[in-house]
Amino acid sequence: GAGVSQTPSNKVTEKGKYVELRCDPISGHTALYWYRQSLGQGPEFLIYFQGTGAADDSGLPNDRFFAVRPEGSVSTLKIQRTERGDSAVYLCASSPGGPLEETQYFGPGTRLLVL
Amino acid sequence: AQSVTQLDSQVPVFEEAPVELRCNYSSSVSVYLFWYVQYPNQGLQLLLKYLSGSTLVKGINGFEAEFNKSQTSFHLRKPSVHISDTAEYFCAAANFGNEKLTFGTGTRLTIIP
Repeated sequence: GAGVSQTPSNKVTEKGKYVELRCDPISGHTALYWYRQSLGQGPEFLIYFQGTGAADDSGLPNDRFFAVRPEGSVSTLKIQRTERGDSAVYLCASSPGGPLEETQYFGPGTRLLVL
Repeated sequence: AQSVTQLDSQVPVFEEAPVELRCNYSSSVSVYLFWYVQYPNQGLQLLLKYLSGSTLVKGINGFEAEFNKSQTSFHLRKPSVHISDTAEYFCAAANFGNEKLTFGTGTRLTIIP
C-alpha cells in the first residue's frame, strides 16, 4: 500500500513569505506527527495529532507555525513570515494510533529553503 | 526532559566486520527506545524498538540492540555489515505516556569495501 507522502518535495521561498506543507498519512492512521530536521541534526518534534485535534503542539517554535488536520487525514503545516532559520527538512509521520507502542511511518520530507 | 546522545557522528567500518553504534539517553523514568535508519534519499525507517520485557531487541536487516538501564544506553549492533547498510542511523527515546520522540543527532555509517 501507499506510504506517507509529502508535497512539495522541495520548496524555495523568500524571507517573509507564507508557505504551506502538506502531509498525506497512510490511510486509516489516526495519529500524525510533524518533525523538523535541520542540517546535521536529528528530527525535532513539532506537533502531534490524534484524529482532528492537536494532542501536543509543544514543539512548535513560535506562533508563526501552525498545523491543521481538519478531517483527520491530510495535514497542513503552515509557516507565516518565513525566516532563513526556518530552512530545514520538514518530516511527517503517521501511526495506526497512539501511544508510542505503534510504529511511526515517516514520509520522505519537504526540503524548505528560505532565501 | 528527555535527551539522546549519539557520541559518534561518523563510523567507518570494513565490509563484513562487526559494528556498534552508541546511544545514551537521559531520562530515569520509564522510557521507550528506538533506532531508525535513513538510507540516502529515503525517509526514516524503523529498525527496532524497546518497549518493555527482554533487554535484547532484534530488528530488521540483522541489527539488534540492548537496553541497559544502569548505563542508560541502547547501543545498536550488527555482527557483519554489508555495503547496503550505508546510511544514517538515529537513536530516539520517549518517556512513557508522552508521545514526543526525542532524536539523537545521528551516526553516519560508511561501509568500506
